[in-house]
Amino acid sequence: QLQLQESGPGLVKSSETLSLTCTVSGGSISDSSYHWGWIRQPPGKDLEWIGNIYFTGHADYNPSLKSRIAVSVDMSQNQFSLKLTSVTAADTAVYYCVRYSRSSGWFEPWGQGTLVTVSS
Amino acid sequence: DIQVTQSPSSVSASVGDRVTITCRASQGLSSYLAWYQQKPGKAPKLLIHVASNLQSGVPSRFSGSGSGTDFTLTISSLQPEDFATYYCQQANSFPLTFGGGTKVEIK
Repeated sequence: QLQLQESGPGLVKSSETLSLTCTVSGGSISDSSYHWGWIRQPPGKDLEWIGNIYFTGHADYNPSLKSRIAVSVDMSQNQFSLKLTSVTAADTAVYYCVRYSRSSGWFEPWGQGTLVTVSS
Repeated sequence: DIQVTQSPSSVSASVGDRVTITCRASQGLSSYLAWYQQKPGKAPKLLIHVASNLQSGVPSRFSGSGSGTDFTLTISSLQPEDFATYYCQQANSFPLTFGGGTKVEIK
């Protein structure tokens, strides 16, 4: 059974860089059928797609965040990562890593999510 | 960006009720729409993909329909475990976007 698990600091200072890693178990990140992505949800608010990456390194990003984000993949570790620079309080959210079916457009499964709080 | 608008934003219903949630897109999606269920403190769970395809393991009381700009999620007979927030998500074009959610509450 495929499982995803986010890891990284739960507290980041304003203007610094948020870094999260997602570890994939029960399957290979090099599975050609899927992409791997990040979605966030500010407390009490809606879901926002951040970006996806394919095992080749090809990435698609949300234009609203594109200037500040980088998603990368490490096949040797079966992991993918998110970096979000110059964070503000508006970046406080639960961050989920997900598997994405590009052919059909769905996200499943999701990691349990990790709350990242940006402090001033 | 394609905007997806869900309605209603909340609904109160009783166990056994039929519940219908709609999602309207600002542009045609073909059938590239998915539905998710989220319970408090948990990650969303995929229910329906490509508008009407039931995800494996999801009870058959959930169904989806629609194409183009108008889509519907129906719960045929609401069960206690179905009280949650439901989101639609379009995958016709980047950026991928979600609806604002519909909270299904106990009446």
